[in-house]
Amino acid sequence: KQEVTQIPAALSVPEGENLVLNCSFTDSAIYNLQWFRQDPGKGLTSLLLIQSSQREQTSGRLNASLDKSSGRSTLYIAASQPGDSATYLCAVAGNTPLVFGKGTRLSVIA
Amino acid sequence: DTGVSQDPRHKITKRGQNVTFRCDPISEHNRLYWYRQTLGQGPEFLTYFQNEAQLEKSRLLSDRFSAERPKGSFSTLEIQRTEQGDSAMYLCASSPPTSGVANEQFFGPGTRLTVL
Repeated sequence: KQEVTQIPAALSVPEGENLVLNCSFTDSAIYNLQWFRQDPGKGLTSLLLIQSSQREQTSGRLNASLDKSSGRSTLYIAASQPGDSATYLCAVAGNTPLVFGKGTRLSVIA
Repeated sequence: DTGVSQDPRHKITKRGQNVTFRCDPISEHNRLYWYRQTLGQGPEFLTYFQNEAQLEKSRLLSDRFSAERPKGSFSTLEIQRTEQGDSAMYLCASSPPTSGVANEQFFGPGTRLTVL
């Protein structure tokens, strides 16, 4: 059974810092990995999707990497802003639809 | 707005009542998914459809839960005889018609259910 773990559970940083969120998964037989953002009480916004054959994806200040063999992914956020404050969720797609981690709750302090 | 929509956004009900939620996927997306999210947890998969066919159901989907997608467009999720443990955010997602389950999923705003 696939299990997804996200570390840290919560993170507070001053504005302007670069930061890294970590995601690990137990079964490396995945098709893709998706990073989402969730604001309190809201739905999920897709940030980046990495196919199993890819090593990384970039969108603006966000960069996600994937090391399938070791079961790890990282989400790098450059020059953090207060508007980046949200919960970031990692999810993997294998033989069944998405399996999610519990998320990392990020606070960026102005 | 061409995103996934869900209705209602919030529902408060008394224990034992039946509730029904609706999800409208992005136009021409043939796959539709339902997830449940409780406070402090990530979403958990409930069920998914390809067109009108329900292809997979999680063990989380007890006999009190039923989902339909009669014409391959919108979907409904019904919970019968609600229990306090059913209180959660119910999320719907859709994905476009490419091969396999490895499609990017687009989520709706969710329906927040509170069972008193």
